[in-house]
Amino acid sequence: QVQLMQSGPEVKRPGASMKVSCKTSGYNFKDHGITWVRQAPGQGLEFIGWISNYNGNTQSAEKMKGRVTMTTDSLTTTAYLELRSLKSDDTAVYYCARDCSAISCVDFWGQGTLVTVSS
Amino acid sequence: EIVLTQSPDTLSLSPGERATLSCRASRSVNTYISWYQHKPGQAPRLLISDASIRATGIPARFSGTGSGTDFTLTISSLETEDFAIYYCLERSNWPLITLGQGTRLEIK
Repeated sequence: QVQLMQSGPEVKRPGASMKVSCKTSGYNFKDHGITWVRQAPGQGLEFIGWISNYNGNTQSAEKMKGRVTMTTDSLTTTAYLELRSLKSDDTAVYYCARDCSAISCVDFWGQGTLVTVSS
Repeated sequence: EIVLTQSPDTLSLSPGERATLSCRASRSVNTYISWYQHKPGQAPRLLISDASIRATGIPARFSGTGSGTDFTLTISSLETEDFAIYYCLERSNWPLITLGQGTRLEIK
C-alpha cells in the first residue's frame, strides 16, 4: 500500500536550517510528484512547493522562494524539504503529499513533522 | 493568484444532519477542486477530486458538486467521525496549489 513516512520532530534556533525527509513506498516513485504543505499552530494549510520525482523540476510558493530547496533521491524513494534562515513563524507541522495520478490533486499524505523554531 | 474562500468558518450540527460546505474561487478553476478532511494529529485525507469524484474508500454520504468558481461538499447524514476540519484545494495552475482557509465542522 502507498505510504509516506516523514522524519521526526525538530527544534531549531532562529537563523538555522531544517531538513525534513519523506520516505515513500508502495508505488512507482517517478510516476508521482511530491507537494509540501505546512500548518502553523492555529492556522490553515499553506502550500510550500512541489517537486517532480521524474526530472527533479521544482516550483515553490512566492513567499518561500530563496529559502526553500526540495530534492529527491530515486534510489531510496525519498523526498526532502530544506528550509533555511528559520524564523519563529516557520514553526509548523510540515507535510509531504503525493500527486494524484490525474495531477489535479494530492492523494496520500505523510503523517507530518513538527518543526519548532525557538530561541 | 487565485484565492479560495470557504464558508462558513464553523458549522455546528448534530449527528444525522446534513452538512453543506462551500468553497468559492476568485476566478474559474474549471473542476480542479479537491476536498480533504483533517483531524488533529492526523494526516489530511482526500475525500473528493475533480470537484465530484469520490476517492477510493470514501463513504457515499460524501459528495461534491460545482464547476468554475462555486463548489460544494455535502455530507448527507453526519456520523460522529465526520466532525473535523475540511479544506478545499485548487490546482488549476499545476503544479501550484491554493488551499481554502478551512471549515470547522463541530458537534452541536
